[in-house]
Amino acid sequence: RKEVEQDPGPFNVPEGATVAFNCTYSNSASQSFFWYRQDCRKEPKLLMSVYSSGNEDGRFTAQLNRASQYISLLIRDSKLSDSATYLCVVNIPMIASAGGTSYGKLTFGQGTILTVHP
Amino acid sequence: EAGVAQSPRYKIIEKRQSVAFWCNPISGHATLYWYQQILGQGPKLLIQFQNNGVVDDSQLPKDRFSAERLKGVDSTLKIQPAKLEDSAVYLCASSLTDTSGRANEQFFGPGTRLTVL
Repeated sequence: RKEVEQDPGPFNVPEGATVAFNCTYSNSASQSFFWYRQDCRKEPKLLMSVYSSGNEDGRFTAQLNRASQYISLLIRDSKLSDSATYLCVVNIPMIASAGGTSYGKLTFGQGTILTVHP
Repeated sequence: EAGVAQSPRYKIIEKRQSVAFWCNPISGHATLYWYQQILGQGPKLLIQFQNNGVVDDSQLPKDRFSAERLKGVDSTLKIQPAKLEDSAVYLCASSLTDTSGRANEQFFGPGTRLTVL
């Protein structure tokens, strides 16, 4: 089983539609969760962090279900500019072999492609 | 604020040749990452540095890949010799340090697109 699994899509939706992406993770020790956005031929950029209580940023809502080990991203009132790949990212705390320092290791899902059309 | 810088942006080489990529992280970011992103996949962590020390290189193919960050700032990633399957985008990222086990936001550079013929 992959550490982080997403439906690759593609999702093709009209402007104004509501679309939701789910992501499952396998490591129950995962502590923090993120959604990154990656435009075509560009680098990934942080879209939002995902908090236990759920969080909203404008048209975007992220939720976490620890019991079922999945996170979700909801986009309301889709815009053409929302077309991109959405990457689910999970942080697993690790201990460095040298020095014993804790650090976070981010594992990325393969991404879900969204295309919003007129 | 200047972002993460990478060079070159594009590189085409033949298999069995060598190639090196350079990364300059955001000033003050002690943690630096190299990722490999194959078309259609998410980024895969190759190596993570904390200052000039390696904290994770479990997915780095050490028979052909090497990376260093000698002075705790700039970093280079080398492939020697390259294989066809190394064709990918190599992304460098940096972040502030958090020793609690949590990960801070990572800022990515524009990447180096490598094609191995």
